[in-house]
Amino acid sequence: NAGVTQTPKFQVLKTGQSMTLQCAQDMNHEYMSWYRQDPGMGLRLIHYSVGAGITDQGEVPNGYNVSRSTTEDFPLRLLSAAPSQTSVYFCASSPAGNSPLHFGNGTRLTVT
Amino acid sequence: AQSVSQHNHHVILSEAASLELGCNYSYGGTVNLFWYVQYPGQHLQLLLKYFSGDPLVKGIKGFEAEFIKSKFSFNLRKPSVQWSDTAEYFCAVKRSSSGDKLTFGTGTRLAVRP
Repeated sequence: NAGVTQTPKFQVLKTGQSMTLQCAQDMNHEYMSWYRQDPGMGLRLIHYSVGAGITDQGEVPNGYNVSRSTTEDFPLRLLSAAPSQTSVYFCASSPAGNSPLHFGNGTRLTVT
Repeated sequence: AQSVSQHNHHVILSEAASLELGCNYSYGGTVNLFWYVQYPGQHLQLLLKYFSGDPLVKGIKGFEAEFIKSKFSFNLRKPSVQWSDTAEYFCAVKRSSSGDKLTFGTGTRLAVRP
C-alpha cells in the first residue's frame, strides 16, 4: 500500500513564483487535509476536504488554494510564494468519522 | 488562545526514566483525543487514540494516556523511556462539532540520553 504520497519532497521557490504540491492517497479516504508545520507552532490546518468537490478553509488558508476533483487527489497551490510560506507541508487523509489521520512524508518548501 | 496546550516544549531524560507529557484542551462537549509521534526526519505516526470507554488507553511502544474529563487533559506516559523514543510528540483533538478537523498542540520535543 502506498498510503499518502506527497511530491515533491523538497522545493525551493523565489518570491512570487507559483507551484502546486501534490498529494494522492490510495485508501479511498473521504477526508483529506493540508497542514503546515513550523517550529514552536505545531501543525496548523490550511485547507481540508470532506469529499470530492467539497473543500473548506482551515486556520491559515491565505495564500493557498485547493481543489478536490477526485477522491484520490488533493493538490495545494501556492499562487504567489512568499518567504512566510517557508515551511514543511503535510498532507493527511482519513475515512470519515472517528478515525486517525494518515500522513504523507511531507514537502519541505523554502521561499527565498 | 491556543485550543490545545502542550506546556512542555522540550524535555530531556535519561534512559529508563519515566515520562509524562501534558496535554490540555479548551473545548466543551464530545472530543476525540490523539497522540502522534514524529521521529527525526519522518512524518507523524499515531501513538494512541481515545474515543470513548476506558479513559486509560494503551498505545504502541509501551505508551499510554489517561483522559481526565474534569481536567480537560489527556497526558501521555511511559514508565521507562528508551533512546529510540527521542522524537517530537503532538497531542491532537477532534471536536464532534467540527467534523473531521483535527487541532494539534505545539508539540513537545523529547530527547533521551543513552
